[in-house]
Amino acid sequence: AQSVTQPDIHITVSEGASLELRCNYSYGATPYLFWYVQSPGQGLQLLLKYFSGDTLVQGIKGFEAEFKRSQSSFNLRKPSVHWSDAAEYFCAVIPGGGSNYKLTFGKGTLLTVNP
Amino acid sequence: SAVISQKPSRDICQRGTSLTIQCQVDSQVTMMFWYRQQPGQSLTLIATANQGSEATYESGFVIDKFPISRPNLTFSTLTVSNMSPEDSSIYLCSVEKEGIYNEQFFGPGTRLTVL
Repeated sequence: AQSVTQPDIHITVSEGASLELRCNYSYGATPYLFWYVQSPGQGLQLLLKYFSGDTLVQGIKGFEAEFKRSQSSFNLRKPSVHWSDAAEYFCAVIPGGGSNYKLTFGKGTLLTVNP
Repeated sequence: SAVISQKPSRDICQRGTSLTIQCQVDSQVTMMFWYRQQPGQSLTLIATANQGSEATYESGFVIDKFPISRPNLTFSTLTVSNMSPEDSSIYLCSVEKEGIYNEQFFGPGTRLTVL
């Protein structure tokens, strides 16, 4: 079945540590890929997106993500986490490489940052 | 980007009543969407709000329960009808702007609690 999987429900890191949030997808064609962040009581903010081209994409707030076709993955990274990064992170896809505009979300990863 | 506001930001309602949520965008947009985020869950697309025609609903969602209006290119409403506690969720609208395809901007959400 077509799906977006975020294997980690909850991750805790110390401030200043590096971060990697995992996302795997299961679709026939490479979908369009997105990472969104939802801070407490806030809507969703787009961090970055991948449609095609360079497989390493840079986003806002110092985040980056790497598309790996062989692993069907689109993991989100940040070299040094700040306390303000504590939030829920959602990986999302538009299946079919853009022929279908409907966003499908993973279940999310809650990030806690320890001082 | 797009500036999106939703009213109300939160509400507590009694079982059997209905609530209408408003979504206002600061500029004309091509696509408007409504999502539901149940407690601790990811986002699920309810429907696409079409300007001048009936909304397009996803599997599991019906017009009688979630009537949607979109009278113009900057405004939409979602009504949650005959509410039950299972309708307690965050409801978010999102938009896709002309020229920025396949990228959705989200409103802050409406947190609904049904007693």
